[in-house]
Amino acid sequence: EAQVTQNPRYLITVTGKKLTVTCSQNMNHEYMSWYRQDPGLGLRQIYYSMNVEVTDKGDVPEGYKVSRKEKRNFPLILESPSPNQTSLYFCASSSTGDLFFGEGSRLTVL
Amino acid sequence: GQQLNQSPQSMFIQEGEDVSMNCTSSSIFNTWLWYKQDPGEGPVLLIALYKAGELTSNGRLTAQFGITRKDSFLNISASIPSDVGIYFCAGHPVYYDMRFGAGTRLTVKP
Repeated sequence: EAQVTQNPRYLITVTGKKLTVTCSQNMNHEYMSWYRQDPGLGLRQIYYSMNVEVTDKGDVPEGYKVSRKEKRNFPLILESPSPNQTSLYFCASSSTGDLFFGEGSRLTVL
Repeated sequence: GQQLNQSPQSMFIQEGEDVSMNCTSSSIFNTWLWYKQDPGEGPVLLIALYKAGELTSNGRLTAQFGITRKDSFLNISASIPSDVGIYFCAGHPVYYDMRFGAGTRLTVKP
């Protein structure tokens, strides 16, 4: 089954404790991206990657890092999480412009 | 990326009624996508449109790519309770520049 898989689905952490949200897709898509979704603000792009070793900032990249060492994986790294990064995060992938989303990772930073 | 103008923001309808929502962009798009999102879940792709004037159906859902390439609409016919959720549009001039509407929250009364 074609899918985008994120882990963890839910996470509560404390300010400053580094965390990584993993994302993996099995559709051989070149393009992958991360979004955060907040009430009233909709989906905002954090980072995107057009291929292995090619990443670029989206609209809200501050406080986040990404890497793309393999085509299927695109982890999102929060080096020092802060409460304003509490949000619902989505990973997505695409080949022809049809963007497929993961199920989401709800992150709470205390 | 710049958000799209999606309307209406919310709709309260009776089961069996038809529903229509639309999205507009200030720039020309090459792809329009329509998604449904249930609370706490990832957006699920409903319909993808690739050509101006294209009309595509998926069961009771029908979507059209506007002739001007700056708008799209989604219709749901004979609504049922499981249609409840948030519907949002997305589109792009190029696949790595995806933009999103803020969503239409649909409530269906049995």
